[in-house]
Amino acid sequence: AQSVAQPEDQVNVAEGNPLTVKCTYSVSGNPYLFWYVQYPNRGLQFLLKYITGDNLVKGSYGFEAEFNKSQTSFHLKKPSALVSDSALYFCAATTPYNQGGKLIFGQGTELSVKP
Amino acid sequence: KAGVTQTPRYLIKTRGQQVTLSCSPISGHRSVSWYQQTPGQGLQFLFEYFSETQRNKGNFPGRFSGRQFSNSRSEMNVSTLELGDSALYLCASSGQVPGETQYFGPGTRLLVL
Repeated sequence: AQSVAQPEDQVNVAEGNPLTVKCTYSVSGNPYLFWYVQYPNRGLQFLLKYITGDNLVKGSYGFEAEFNKSQTSFHLKKPSALVSDSALYFCAATTPYNQGGKLIFGQGTELSVKP
Repeated sequence: KAGVTQTPRYLIKTRGQQVTLSCSPISGHRSVSWYQQTPGQGLQFLFEYFSETQRNKGNFPGRFSGRQFSNSRSEMNVSTLELGDSALYLCASSGQVPGETQYFGPGTRLLVL
């Protein structure tokens, strides 16, 4: 079965420190990979995506993600965390086109940035 | 461009009732997908509509149904509500190619009593 895993339910970081939110995927073919962020009582906001090319993808609000095909990982990073980055982060991958190109999500990682 | 809008934002129903949720996609987007978000199950795909046709379907019972209109607006209906249907229902719109970035609305919070 196709799946996306976020191994950490919660990540705690001090403001100003670098942050990493981990994601691995088990999806056949070459899926598109996405990161979304969700603030309380809000929908999901698109941060960035990887389709092909450079393994380091830059996105909104200073976030970037590193794609590693051999490890089937797509970790979200930010060099210097802000308190306002505290939110729920979701990694997602598309199933192959011939399987509908559906978006499947990881279970989410709660990021907490303390002053 | 205006974003994805969903109405209503909050809804309280009782078991056995039915409910209809509405989603207006970003202008020009023809694909609308629906998701259910709960603390226990996370984000689960319900179905996707494209050009008024259901293009993909998740693993939900037949009580969950949807449709799309010619202007790409979509509705989702849940009949015979159960307590477990309490959730945040999210709608997302995207262009016509599967795999394109999906942009989400704020969601409808449904509480079933």
